[in-house]
Amino acid sequence: QVQLQESGPGLVKPSQTLSLTCTVSGGSISSSGYYWSWIRQHPGKGLEWIGYIYYSGSTYYNPSLKSRVTISLDTSKTQFSLKLSSVTAADTAVYYCARSVVAVPIYQHWGQGTLVTVSS
Amino acid sequence: EIVMTQSPATLSVSPGERATLSCRASQSVNSNLAWYQQKPGQAPRLLIYGASTRATGIPARFSGSGSGTEFTLTISSLQSEDFAIYHCQQYNKWYTFGQGTKLEIK
Repeated sequence: QVQLQESGPGLVKPSQTLSLTCTVSGGSISSSGYYWSWIRQHPGKGLEWIGYIYYSGSTYYNPSLKSRVTISLDTSKTQFSLKLSSVTAADTAVYYCARSVVAVPIYQHWGQGTLVTVSS
Repeated sequence: EIVMTQSPATLSVSPGERATLSCRASQSVNSNLAWYQQKPGQAPRLLIYGASTRATGIPARFSGSGSGTEFTLTISSLQSEDFAIYHCQQYNKWYTFGQGTKLEIK
């Protein structure tokens, strides 16, 4: 059973870059057939898809965040990462990593989530 | 962007009764609609995909229906563990979620 776990700083200063890593266990991050995604949830709000990366390294981002987002893959460490630049208080949220199947891109496997607060 | 609107924002229902949650898309998403359940402090759990197919291990009291722009999640006889927030998600064109419906005990 695949498991995902987010890690990274819980506090980021405004204008800096938010960096998170998702460590995957129980499954290969190098196999085709899956998208490795980041999703966030603002406090008390709904979910927002940030973007995903495919095993080949192809990435797709939410157009509203595209200019600030980078998702990368480290197959040797079975990890994928999120970088969000120029953060503001509006980027304060719980960040989840998740896996979806390419054929039916719904999210059956999630990390537990990590709260990132943007504050000076 | 396809906007997903869920109603009501909060639904109060007694245990053992039926709950009906709605999700509307701003344009057709065909049957590319999923439902998730989320409890406090936890990640969402997939319940339904393809508008009506239950995910593995999901009890039969959960059912989904609809296509195009109008969708419904029905919980036939509410159990105590069903009180949570429910999110819909379209995956027809990129991915967007509704704002959630909180199902609370009446």
